[in-house]
Amino acid sequence: QKEVEQNSGPLSVPEGAIASLNCTYSDRGSQSFFWYRQYSGKSPELIMFIYSNGDKEDGRFTAQLNKASQYVSLLIRDSQPSDSATYLCAGSGSARQLTFGSGTQLTVLP
Amino acid sequence: EPEVTQTPSHQVTQMGQEVILRCVPISNHLYFYWYRQILGQKVEFLVSFYNNEISEKSEIFDDQFSVERPDGSNFTLKIRSTKLEDSAMYFCASGGQGADYGYTFGSGTRLTVV
Repeated sequence: QKEVEQNSGPLSVPEGAIASLNCTYSDRGSQSFFWYRQYSGKSPELIMFIYSNGDKEDGRFTAQLNKASQYVSLLIRDSQPSDSATYLCAGSGSARQLTFGSGTQLTVLP
Repeated sequence: EPEVTQTPSHQVTQMGQEVILRCVPISNHLYFYWYRQILGQKVEFLVSFYNNEISEKSEIFDDQFSVERPDGSNFTLKIRSTKLEDSAMYFCASGGQGADYGYTFGSGTRLTVV
């Protein structure tokens, strides 16, 4: 059974701080990993994907992948109240289907 | 920015009735998906569709579900005989070629079975 595990939170950080979101996965066959943001009642919105070990930066977001530890993380620098949402980690399968974690609820306090 | 469009946004149906959820994927995309999210739960994969056939399906996608791409633009999910537990948000998604295949989700159809 392929599983993606996330700490459900809630995680609260003050505005301007770094938010750190973590995810572990069980399927060593997963090649790529994705971070989606989901506002309440809305659809998931892609933030970043990563498929190589190491870090990948895009603006205020940095994704990190460690395949040996089966660990993925997302750092959000200079967090803003508009970043308050549920962050979903997902791993891909052979047909590009995604297995999602249950999400981490982030609140950025003004 | 290109969008995945889903209709209707909300559908209420009686248990045992058939429903068809409709999606218009992004026009140059080749990979199509349906996911569902029961309120308060994970987003769950249902089915993937490529080259006019199902490429992968989950255990949830049993005989009461079917997908179709009847023309060059629409992608539909049919639930033949709805159950109360089918109540969920259903998301369509589409993806293009290439390494960046984090695909785009539609805004969803909220299905309520009563």
